[in-house]
Amino acid sequence: DVKVTQSSRYLVKRTGEKVFLECVQDMDHENMFWYRQDPGLGLRLIYFSYDVKMKEKGDIPEGYSVSREKKERFSLILESASTNQTSMYLCASTPRGTVADTQYFGPGTRLTVL
Amino acid sequence: AQTVTQSQPEMSVQEAETVTLSCTYDTSESDYYLFWYKQPPSRQMILVIRQEAYKQQNATENRFSVNFQKAAKSFSLKISDSQLGDAAMYFCAYRSHNTDKLIFGTGTRLQVFP
Repeated sequence: DVKVTQSSRYLVKRTGEKVFLECVQDMDHENMFWYRQDPGLGLRLIYFSYDVKMKEKGDIPEGYSVSREKKERFSLILESASTNQTSMYLCASTPRGTVADTQYFGPGTRLTVL
Repeated sequence: AQTVTQSQPEMSVQEAETVTLSCTYDTSESDYYLFWYKQPPSRQMILVIRQEAYKQQNATENRFSVNFQKAAKSFSLKISDSQLGDAAMYFCAYRSHNTDKLIFGTGTRLQVFP
């Protein structure tokens, strides 16, 4: 079974702190994604990566950056956390180029910024 | 740009009954994939069912089936013999044939009553 893990289920940070959210997958997938999930807005793509050290902006990249130094790990970074970044963050992975393959999701990190 | 619309924020169904969740999408492409994902209260998102746009036959997975109307750009999910474990958020998602990115709808929360 594909396993996608995220470093924390719940996280509370203060405004202005630098926040790291970690995601690890164990299936050698090329593609990895970071989403944020908000009520009434669904899932919105923040960043994705299709290979080590490669990244592309999603629909809402402002205020975020990412790092992918190893294939299995994809980190989301909030350089200076703000209250409007309070949200559920979901990581996902998928093999590249497979027809209609699903994305495999982690359990999510509920981030609260005070 | 492609969009996905789920017009039912909440739905409810009695156990053992049938319920249909609606999804419409907008695209100018002819080749794409559609998905329904389920997110139970534990938050791990899992794939329920997928449909390739070039296939006329509606996808079926046990109690879950879709009604795919390509001309109408409609992709509804039917859950038969509903069970308490079906209670979750359901997301409709679209993927173009030439990308690994998903576009999600805003979700429908399904409640199942005994």
